[in-house]
Amino acid sequence: ELKVEQNPLFLSMQEGKNYTIYCNYSTTSDRLYWYRQDPGKSLESLFVLLSNGAVKQEGRLMASLDTKARLSTLHITAAVHDLSATYFCAVDLITQGGSEKLVFGKGTKLTVNP
Amino acid sequence: GAVVSQHPSWVICKSGTSVKIECRSLDFQATTMFWYRQFPKQSLMLMATSNEGSKATYEQGVEKDKFLINHASLTLSTLTVTSAHPEDSSFYICSAEDSPDTEAFFGQGTRLTVV
Repeated sequence: ELKVEQNPLFLSMQEGKNYTIYCNYSTTSDRLYWYRQDPGKSLESLFVLLSNGAVKQEGRLMASLDTKARLSTLHITAAVHDLSATYFCAVDLITQGGSEKLVFGKGTKLTVNP
Repeated sequence: GAVVSQHPSWVICKSGTSVKIECRSLDFQATTMFWYRQFPKQSLMLMATSNEGSKATYEQGVEKDKFLINHASLTLSTLTVTSAHPEDSSFYICSAEDSPDTEAFFGQGTRLTVV
């Protein structure tokens, strides 16, 4: 069974600071996603990471994937209040029956304080 | 980008009644749609996967007779919560993909409250 572990689950940081969210997963997968969720809203796709060593950046967020270590990171640079949200990583799992599904981490609630 | 529309965005229903939630892919044909449930302050849990024209595949622990899924066309899947109870109150989110191994796009979610 694929397990996806995120840490930290809660993160409170000051504006201007840097921090990294980690996402570990337990079985082989070639596809990892990062999503943002604002309160009461659905998921917003941030990054799709498809290969070992993949690195993608958008604004103050940068995501990377190490498939050998089964680890993805979401790095926040010079945080601003607008980044406050819950961030989920999700890993694509191919089941024994050949179907696919996303398995989500528990999410990291990020609060950026002035 | 691909757009997935869910309707309604929120619904309040009485215990014992049924409620239907629609998930539409607006600008692509969705061969597969996924239905998730999210309790407050928790992660998304996959309920079922539906492929157009075939029966949905439910995850372990999800009652098939309670959560009826229909994927009758390549652009529409519906989730019907039958005989709803207060414990069914949750945020339901669908996603859709046009082919395997591609990114699935999420609908805006439906907040169900059963009173």
